[in-house]
Amino acid sequence: DTGVSQDPRHKITKRGQNVTFRCDPISEHNRLYWYRQTLGQGPEFLTYFQNEAQLEKSRLLSDRFSAERPKGSFSTLEIQRTEQGDSAMYLCASSFEGVNEQFFGPGTRLTVL
Amino acid sequence: DAKTTQPPSMDCAEGRAANLPCNHSTISGNEYVYWYRQIHSQGPQYIIHGLKNNETNEMASLIITEDRKSSTLILPHATLRDTAVYYCIVRAQTGANNLFFGTGTRLTVIP
Repeated sequence: DTGVSQDPRHKITKRGQNVTFRCDPISEHNRLYWYRQTLGQGPEFLTYFQNEAQLEKSRLLSDRFSAERPKGSFSTLEIQRTEQGDSAMYLCASSFEGVNEQFFGPGTRLTVL
Repeated sequence: DAKTTQPPSMDCAEGRAANLPCNHSTISGNEYVYWYRQIHSQGPQYIIHGLKNNETNEMASLIITEDRKSSTLILPHATLRDTAVYYCIVRAQTGANNLFFGTGTRLTVIP
C-alpha cells in the first residue's frame, strides 16, 4: 500500500504523559499536513511542512505540541503533558506541490484518561 | 477562505442520485470549490474540485452556479458505500495551504 500511513492507530494515555505520533506520507509528496478532529466536527488544521520546513502553524497548536519533519520524509507530532481536551483523532495528509488534492492517512485516535 | 454552508444531514435511496448542496455566497474570484468525503473511521478522501465550469470524474459531478455562490455535488447512482460525511470547501489555489472543513453533510444511503 503506497498511501499515507500513520502509527499508532490508537493510543490511550494518562493525563500528563507525553505521546508521539508518526506519519509516513506518499513518497514523492513534498508537502505534509497535520489536522485534529474531535467528535462530530470536521478536521481542523494544525500545521504544514514543505519538505523539512514547517511553514505554517495554527493557533490550535499550543506550546505543548511540536511537529518535526527532519529529512523531509516522515513526520512526528509530539504532545507533551497531555490533557483530556487533547483526546481526538490526529490526521496526517500529504500532497505534491502544485497539486490540489491532499491524501489523508487513517489517523491516530488519542484518548487521554 | 470563504465560508460554506451545508445541510447537516441527508438521506438518499440506494441507486438514486444524491444531490448535495453547498452555499458559498462570499466566494471570491480566485477561490475553487473542493469536495471531500469522510467514511466512518477513515481519513477524508478527495472527490472533485472546480472553479466555475461544471466538472465530472469517475466519482461524481460538480455543478457550480453561474454566479458561483452555490454548488451541488452529484453522486449519480448512490451505493451503501457512499454513506459518509461530505465536506464542501472553498479555497484559493495559492496562499493558505490548509483545508477548512466545517461540519459537512452526513449522507445516509438507504437500502
